[in-house]
Amino acid sequence: ETGVTQSPTHLIKTRGQQVTLRCSSQSGHNTVSWYQQALGQGPQFIFQYYREEENGRGNFPPRFSGLQFPNYSSELNVNALELDDSALYLCASSSGGRSTDTQYFGPGTRLTVL
Amino acid sequence: SQQGEEDPQALSIQEGENATMNCSYKTSINNLQWYRQNSGRGLVHLILIRSNEREKHSGRLRVTLDTSKKSSSLLITASRAADTASYFCATDGGTASKLTFGTGTRLQVTL
Repeated sequence: ETGVTQSPTHLIKTRGQQVTLRCSSQSGHNTVSWYQQALGQGPQFIFQYYREEENGRGNFPPRFSGLQFPNYSSELNVNALELDDSALYLCASSSGGRSTDTQYFGPGTRLTVL
Repeated sequence: SQQGEEDPQALSIQEGENATMNCSYKTSINNLQWYRQNSGRGLVHLILIRSNEREKHSGRLRVTLDTSKKSSSLLITASRAADTASYFCATDGGTASKLTFGTGTRLQVTL
């Protein structure tokens, strides 16, 4: 157990809808990164939040947005869902916005878009 | 897009044997990390090797890094059934915050 929690565990949405995924970081961590993992693929970096500010973004369209709160928990919002958004969404917390910091992953949210 | 690729894509061995998986990447890096993932769940950090290191050990794990060939290998010695999982390498690509994962190796350890 890493102490990183995600909710919900599973989610089913229809195309065009909006979804919000939540992540609680490990105690003492101020950085949250979000990843999308399609079936059979490695995780792909969506973005990172460090002390409530976006600290890097991957190659994802603007309909993927996020927030980090003062307690360092985070949300991932996806608007206008598409079928290809079906994936496992992982968040990871770490103690700083550096690539050398060990990232502790949550169990993920499985999103299915119909 | 994926930074690199793991090889082989799948590996099946018997308990007690050694498992070796390789990772190739495309851009310069500051460090390379290996992660394990059980059954589509969260990833677990195994080991980090910096670009100026050539080899690192942690328990039954041995990681090598060859920056001239842009490749790394993960060796698991005396494998156990509990080692059954997917293994991913991840690089920072020189960017402070972003980790880029490979496509993974699925390891099956049978009794």
